[in-house]
Amino acid sequence: KAGVTQTPRYLIKTRGQQVTLSCSPISGHRSVSWYQQTPGQGLQFLFEYFSETQRNKGNFPGRFSGRQFSNSRSEMNVSTLELGDSALYLCASSLYSGANVLTFGAGSRLTVL
Amino acid sequence: AQSVAQPEDQVKVAEGNPLTVKCTYSVSGNPYLFWYVQYPNRGLQFLLKYITGDNLVKGSYGFEAEFNKSQTSFHLKKPSALVSDSALYFCAVRDTNNAGNMLTFGGGTRLMVKP
Repeated sequence: KAGVTQTPRYLIKTRGQQVTLSCSPISGHRSVSWYQQTPGQGLQFLFEYFSETQRNKGNFPGRFSGRQFSNSRSEMNVSTLELGDSALYLCASSLYSGANVLTFGAGSRLTVL
Repeated sequence: AQSVAQPEDQVKVAEGNPLTVKCTYSVSGNPYLFWYVQYPNRGLQFLLKYITGDNLVKGSYGFEAEFNKSQTSFHLKKPSALVSDSALYFCAVRDTNNAGNMLTFGGGTRLMVKP
């Protein structure tokens, strides 16, 4: 079966712009989590969505937001981009919230100039 | 609060030798523990997990990990390393007191297996 699909894989933006990243979970998976990976901060939890509701949120400013649709697909948005937002954004899905095994996508690599 | 430490940024071993990648954790409740591996330009791949039960957990590709509650450790091991095991390894924890899928990851350990 198809894995977790993230689009776009690579993108370049300039400071002040906004970006939307998309994640399609494995079919049947209802929980989607987002993580930011940077060389300096490592892997940090952004948020989790389950049944279109935000379940948990990490320690990120309000510029970072997300949503989940009825088909479990999820998007995350970052507004007013800063240089420090350059990162690999990873999406992970699981059957349900608290399922304990996350399947990760390949990530969306964002570069902010 | 939950946290994870991977004390070694890099581990080097020769092919055929045993390998150990260290991980210690801190949680207020009981831990769910995980190991993931990341290859270049790829996402994370699940290796194994400890939820409850036997302290020795076996996972994918011949890897295993031992849960030690008294030392709050969850070290990853493999009896005989392969060059293809070279990758970035992450330990992660979730406190059972926390609902959902919020994992806290360690900083990662780069494993280099020399031929």
